[in-house]
Amino acid sequence: ETGVTQTPRHLVMGMTNKKSLKCEQHLGHNAMYWYKQSAKKPLELMFVYNFKEQTENNSVPSRFSPECPNSSHLFLHLHTLQPEDSALYLCASSQGTGGVGVFYEQYFGPGTRLTVT
Amino acid sequence: QKEVEQDPGPLSVPEGAIVSLNCTYSNSAFQYFMWYRQYSRKGPELLMYTYSSGNKEDGRFTAQVDKSSKYISLFIRDSQPSDSATYLCAMLAGGAQKLVFGQGTRLTINP
Repeated sequence: ETGVTQTPRHLVMGMTNKKSLKCEQHLGHNAMYWYKQSAKKPLELMFVYNFKEQTENNSVPSRFSPECPNSSHLFLHLHTLQPEDSALYLCASSQGTGGVGVFYEQYFGPGTRLTVT
Repeated sequence: QKEVEQDPGPLSVPEGAIVSLNCTYSNSAFQYFMWYRQYSRKGPELLMYTYSSGNKEDGRFTAQVDKSSKYISLFIRDSQPSDSATYLCAMLAGGAQKLVFGQGTRLTINP
């Protein structure tokens, strides 16, 4: 496997289910991200992890719970979701999270298409 | 007002045409300006990025940033059907870790 992989690629879940999305990066990066991409809306950052520590939570509802056990793996645990949570969930990784005068390219996975019924 | 505005299109042009894609922004703190390309059922991939103002060229692609007008552009010369995708602009303030994206413009190049 190369780059950033995500599983599953498609997920349909009921509002009372609990499921998890998985992301793995094979690039040796230290930072990982979760994004939400909804139809007709800009890509929205949800969470940022740097060296396994969460460094950003973009006011995400608690029904989304991230977990980063190591720099290569990132999970998004889902429970009691709403139909409006249906979207493409993208994972990304980068060498670092940047600083003044520093830019790190983010590499995206193919996403998990989530449908909440 | 949204931090980044991008016309979602769709935009349809004939093969070989010059394509111009644009974004405007409101946050003066943005210093890095990026263009991502996203094919159907794939994640976004970085096409080009520019630091501060000016032009950057890479093959058939040219990125322009005008910080005085808070306006960025991506030009595609000699467009090909393989350029058909959604193009996303994104911006980053210096020292920040949160990319702010435009809505994306869906582009179709017709053979």
